[in-house]
Amino acid sequence: GENVEQHPSTLSVQEGDSAVIKCTYSDSASNYFPWYKQELGKRPQLIIDIRSNVGEKKDQRIAVTLNKTAKHFSLHITETQPEDSAVYFCAASIRGAEYGNKLVFGAGTILRVKS
Amino acid sequence: NAGVTQTPKFQVLKTGQSMTLQCAQDMNHNSMYWYRQDPGMGLRLIYYSASEGTTDKGEVPNGYNVSRLNKREFSLRLESAAPSQTSVYFCASRNRGFATSGNTIYFGEGSWLTVV
Repeated sequence: GENVEQHPSTLSVQEGDSAVIKCTYSDSASNYFPWYKQELGKRPQLIIDIRSNVGEKKDQRIAVTLNKTAKHFSLHITETQPEDSAVYFCAASIRGAEYGNKLVFGAGTILRVKS
Repeated sequence: NAGVTQTPKFQVLKTGQSMTLQCAQDMNHNSMYWYRQDPGMGLRLIYYSASEGTTDKGEVPNGYNVSRLNKREFSLRLESAAPSQTSVYFCASRNRGFATSGNTIYFGEGSWLTVV
């Protein structure tokens, strides 16, 4: 079935350094790729997303890149801060009963920013 | 505007008991979802409803049933709870297709379920 693989599972960086999380997907029809941040005990919240008609999107310290040919996309966080510590999930839209109706999530990356 | 609201927030069940998780959204969204979250396994789709009156299985539907009561409400039922169903459950909703700019999926606050 369709799946999304996410690496690494844990990532520790020093405050101020950059963090990169990578995901690969299997469904060539996927056209929407969001990233969610989940703090302990809270709901996942969207931080950035990208659609298949663009290769890169940036929002302040966060950027996402997409390579449709290779079927992988990445999250880049620059100048990391302690409040960036959380679990990050990537996801890809999957063709369902209605085209692009479902999201399949990666297993998550625990990011720790050390001060 | 509360977004996605789910109840209860915490529940302990005995093996074999039944219960229903309730979810409601006030954003007039068409699609609604139930996910479960287990350590190291991300969010896995249990069931979803693309629109009022329709439901479809996700990745892990066994042991669950759903009802899309109306456009606002989407409930998840465990008929005979098992310890393997101990998890955090998230309800979510979305308006239209992901290809439409500005549409994404919004999650409720989660329901922590323990089956003993």
